[in-house]
Amino acid sequence: AQTVTQSQPEMSVQEAETVTLSCTYDTSESDYYLFWYKQPPSRQMILVIRQEAYKQQNATENRFSVNFQKAAKSFSLKISDSQLGDAAMYFCAYRSYVMKTSYDKVIFGPGTSLSVIP
Amino acid sequence: IAGITQAPTSQILAAGRRMTLRCTQDMRHNAMYWYRQDLGLGLRLIHYSNTAGTTGKGEVPDGYSVSRANTDDFPLTLASAVPSQTSVYFCASSDSRSMMNTEAFFGQGTRLTVV
Repeated sequence: AQTVTQSQPEMSVQEAETVTLSCTYDTSESDYYLFWYKQPPSRQMILVIRQEAYKQQNATENRFSVNFQKAAKSFSLKISDSQLGDAAMYFCAYRSYVMKTSYDKVIFGPGTSLSVIP
Repeated sequence: IAGITQAPTSQILAAGRRMTLRCTQDMRHNAMYWYRQDLGLGLRLIHYSNTAGTTGKGEVPDGYSVSRANTDDFPLTLASAVPSQTSVYFCASSDSRSMMNTEAFFGQGTRLTVV
C-alpha cells in the first residue's frame, strides 16, 4: 500500500523569504501523480501544484515549485517570496496512474502547518 | 456554480444515533471519495467509488457505509455514531478517465461532533 509522509508538523517563514516543505512517499508503482494541496483556515482544499511521475521536469506554478526526486521518492514544495496569504496547512498527496490500476485512491500525508511572520 | 456540495456544514450528534452525510457533485466525475480529517493525521480515506454502482474500502472504513446509486451522489452513513467519529469529513471527486485533470476536487467539509 502507498504511504505519504510529511516529517515537519509545523514550519514558519519570514514574509518575502523562501521556505521548503518536505514530503516523502512509498510505492512500488512506476507511474503515478503527486500533488500539493493548501488548506487555509476557511477549511477549503486548494490545489497548489501537480507533478506527473513520468515527467522529469519539476512543476512550477508562479511562486510555487517542486523538487521531484523519483528515485528517492521525495517531493518537496518550495514557496518563494512568501506572503501572509500563504499561511495554511499544506498536504502532500499521491495518486496511482489509474489507467493501470483497478482502483482509484488519493492518499494524503499528515500535513505541515505553515506560519508566515510579518 | 459547478462543484461539490456537502450537507450539513456542521452537526452535533448523540452517540448511538444514525447519521447520513450528503455529498453531491455536478461535474460528472466518475470517482468520488470520503475522507476524515483529524489533527496530526491529515486526511484519511474512509471509502471511495470508482464509478456508479461500485464502492471500495479505504484506510478507516469501520463504522461507516456508502452507496453510489448514480454518478452525482455519494452519501456517507454512520449507522451508530461513537465519540471517536468526531471529525471533519470531506467529500471529493475526480475524473480518473482524464489524463490532464487528475486532481481531486473537494467539498467544504462537514464538522461532526458526537457527544
